Amino acid sequence: NAGVMQNPRHLVRRRGQEARLRCSPMKGHSHVYWYRQLPEEGLKFMVYLQKENIIDESGMPKERFSAEFPKEGPSILRIQQVVRGDSAAYFCASSPPRGTGGYYEQYFGPGTRLTVT
Amino acid sequence: RKEVEQDPGPFNVPEGATVAFNCTYSNSASQSFFWYRQDCRKEPKLLMSVYSSGNEDGRFTAQLNRASQYISLLIRDSKLSDSATYLCVVNPAGNQFYFGTGTSLTVIP
Repeated sequence: NAGVMQNPRHLVRRRGQEARLRCSPMKGHSHVYWYRQLPEEGLKFMVYLQKENIIDESGMPKERFSAEFPKEGPSILRIQQVVRGDSAAYFCASSPPRGTGGYYEQYFGPGTRLTVT
Repeated sequence: RKEVEQDPGPFNVPEGATVAFNCTYSNSASQSFFWYRQDCRKEPKLLMSVYSSGNEDGRFTAQLNRASQYISLLIRDSKLSDSATYLCVVNPAGNQFYFGTGTSLTVIP
């Protein structure tokens, strides 16, 4: 069972460009979370999605950031018109639906390191 | 008040030592608790889920104190490979997971 997959692992964008980050959850997991980690800081929740639905986006900046988790394919975190302050590691995590047994745990992908030049 | 608070450390301990980390949480209705470890520039990896009765996995013991709203992680017989940042995670009823800023541990030969 492959773990959570993220790509690209490293992404360099110039200011003003768009960044697209992809996340494929673990098999059987229908819940996806996105987190951002700035250098020397802790993980900050951004958004929680289930298939075709955004459940909680309270951690997302109001502008330039959007996320989706379509019926088919990976979850996408999109950052438009990137600025230097967007440079960070972006981690995706997945978890199984509640009530499927076991503990409600999150498993993380390797992250995408975004550098804005 | 932050949802989850941890002492950032750093904790520098010799090999073989026992070290303990505490983490406090603000939401008394929180239901699920976890410890993750994060190595430098890597993703967090689940170390332990914390059960209400406390649980042990080899050299690692996790405890939950609901009355005082804290969880702890005890590492016995520290190894060099235990050097990492340890993240406390709390899941209140609902969908969000709150992460502490992490406690840095360095095990010294």
